[in-house]
Amino acid sequence: NAGVTQTPKFRILKIGQSMTLQCAQDMNHNYMYWYRQDPGMGLKLIYYSVGAGITDKGEVPNGYNVSRSTTEDFPLRLELAAPSQTSVYFCASSWDRAAGELFFGEGSRLTVL
Amino acid sequence: DAKTTQPPSMDCAEGRAANLPCNHSTISGNEYVYWYRQIHSQGPQYIIHGLKNNETNEMASLIITEDRKSSTLILPHATLRDTAVYYCIVRRTGTASKLTFGTGTRLQVTL
Repeated sequence: NAGVTQTPKFRILKIGQSMTLQCAQDMNHNYMYWYRQDPGMGLKLIYYSVGAGITDKGEVPNGYNVSRSTTEDFPLRLELAAPSQTSVYFCASSWDRAAGELFFGEGSRLTVL
Repeated sequence: DAKTTQPPSMDCAEGRAANLPCNHSTISGNEYVYWYRQIHSQGPQYIIHGLKNNETNEMASLIITEDRKSSTLILPHATLRDTAVYYCIVRRTGTASKLTFGTGTRLQVTL
């Protein structure tokens, strides 16, 4: 099993550009999450999904969109990149609502200039 | 979910036990205590969790006080590879696993 795979690992964007961070998991997990981590800070939840076709907002959803068309994939879309979105983005998945064990990807480092 | 308080940093000599404290004085009866760690800039890694009994696995032990207002994560024989930020998280059962990460404790293991 590859676990949770994120692409790209690094990306530089110009202000106003758009992009999609990809996340895929091969563990057949129902729950998937997107977090962001600013330098020296903890992780903040952006969006999460409890299954295909179902998504919900976390603490910091503004400026982002998600979709969940399959169990495996949970892409995160940035429509109009802003410097405030410079961060490291982590995707995670878990088995069910009772499970506290989240499996994280290696992260995607995004810089907006 | 209850808030947690951890010291910002700790040092530990290699080979010694690392005891990382966490205060969660507002924890309620259906909330679990979880510990994760983040090595350098990698994704966080699950370590252990518990409700009220002490727990042990191959990575660590979790000691929860009888009143459940605090807990301690114990790494019995710390190595340099245990240098990381350790997060103590409290989460209600029956909810989607939306773990709230604070700033954690930065553990530095030294020779």
